[in-house]
Amino acid sequence: QVQLVESGGGVVQPGRSLRLSCVASGYNFGSYAVHWVRQGPGKGLEWVTIIWYDGSNKYYTDSVKGRFTISRDNSKNTVYLQMNFLRAEDTAVYYCARGASTAASTLDYWGQGTLVTVSS
Amino acid sequence: QSALTQPRSVSGSPGQSVTISCTGTSSDVGGYNYVSWYQQHPGKAPKVMIHDVSKRPSGVPDRFSGSKSGNTASLTITGLQAEDEADYYCCAGSYTLIFGGGTKLTVL
Repeated sequence: QVQLVESGGGVVQPGRSLRLSCVASGYNFGSYAVHWVRQGPGKGLEWVTIIWYDGSNKYYTDSVKGRFTISRDNSKNTVYLQMNFLRAEDTAVYYCARGASTAASTLDYWGQGTLVTVSS
Repeated sequence: QSALTQPRSVSGSPGQSVTISCTGTSSDVGGYNYVSWYQQHPGKAPKVMIHDVSKRPSGVPDRFSGSKSGNTASLTITGLQAEDEADYYCCAGSYTLIFGGGTKLTVL
């Protein structure tokens, strides 16, 4: 069965860095895009970034451009989210999700999420 | 880019029907047939209920249906059941996505 498992969350001070990982299993990892979506405490879902199946294209929401970097290692079935210069407003549960259907527009499988807390 | 507009809350009694709207622009909802809907129970990851405007993944009850007209998409749930009580999010876009603000569905 398809599974995505996030890790790497924790408490970090403003301005510091954190790297999240998303390990996938149960499908041909190298054939699908992967998204990161976050959800602040008591808030709605916010799309963060996408990486294409082969890593050739990456897109980011405006608020994280220049601070976050998505990458993938298809030999390890893993997607990474490097988060630099973290701000309090980045505090959220971060989910990775498989992008399926045309234009990777359907998030058909999600991980359980990993909590990132940015606080001094 | 601002979030898609959804009502904050809707409610209905068991057996009734409810419709949740999702309004965007010609750059997102109106621009593509890539609208999806997600159900989220408290403390859980979201689950896709509808994709590509009106397609239902296997395992999703046929009580759930989706449609679109212009810049507004809709999710309709018929025959409401207690387990349908959750937050619902619409989502639109091609590769880069935008979510709605979410709608809390209460089953009275």
